[in-house]
Amino acid sequence: AQSVTQLGSHVSVSEGALVLLRCNYSSSVPPYLFWYVQYPNQGLQLLLKYTSAATLVKGINGFEAEFKKSETSFHLTKPSAHMSDAAEYFCAVIDYNNNDMRFGAGTRLTVKP
Amino acid sequence: GAVVSQHPSRVICKSGTSVKIECRSLDFQATTMFWYRQFPKKSLMLMATSNEGSKATYEQGVEKDKFLINHASLTLSTLTVTSAHPEDSSFYICSASLAEPYEQYFGPGTRLTVT
Repeated sequence: AQSVTQLGSHVSVSEGALVLLRCNYSSSVPPYLFWYVQYPNQGLQLLLKYTSAATLVKGINGFEAEFKKSETSFHLTKPSAHMSDAAEYFCAVIDYNNNDMRFGAGTRLTVKP
Repeated sequence: GAVVSQHPSRVICKSGTSVKIECRSLDFQATTMFWYRQFPKKSLMLMATSNEGSKATYEQGVEKDKFLINHASLTLSTLTVTSAHPEDSSFYICSASLAEPYEQYFGPGTRLTVT
């Protein structure tokens, strides 16, 4: 079954610094990949998705992610962190066997002033 | 577009009672709806998948007699926690999906507290 691994349960950056959240997937075929953001006591909001089109995917709030097949990665980046980016971020993959979505463990992003 | 609502957003109930949580897709007809449970500072755990008019498919370890799921229409799914106990306290999130690429749209979640 497809799965994703998020490296780093907690990432801390300074305001204005580069944000890099790591996600690696396990799949023998190009999967559908997603990044979601969750603010406290709220549901998940889609940031961006990869569905076998362009490998560099641009999302909302200035985030983007690049699908790298050779590295089986789909890391999330943002050039300049803002205080409002502090949240929990989840990488997810669609499991082709049953079309269920499988989530990574999540990465908590803290932005320091 | 693609808005999913949940009701209630918060509920407190006494141990032994049942609680129903509604999940609605407001502006689209969902082919499939999903129910997740999220523990504090943890990822989402899929509980069950449901399609309109058919029985839900439960993940291993999820008690189907305790977590009753009804998917009466293409826009409404309900999760009933029967005979709730304090260990059922959690954040429950639903989602709804369209056809390929099976992207899921998430509701805002329901915080259940069992006293």
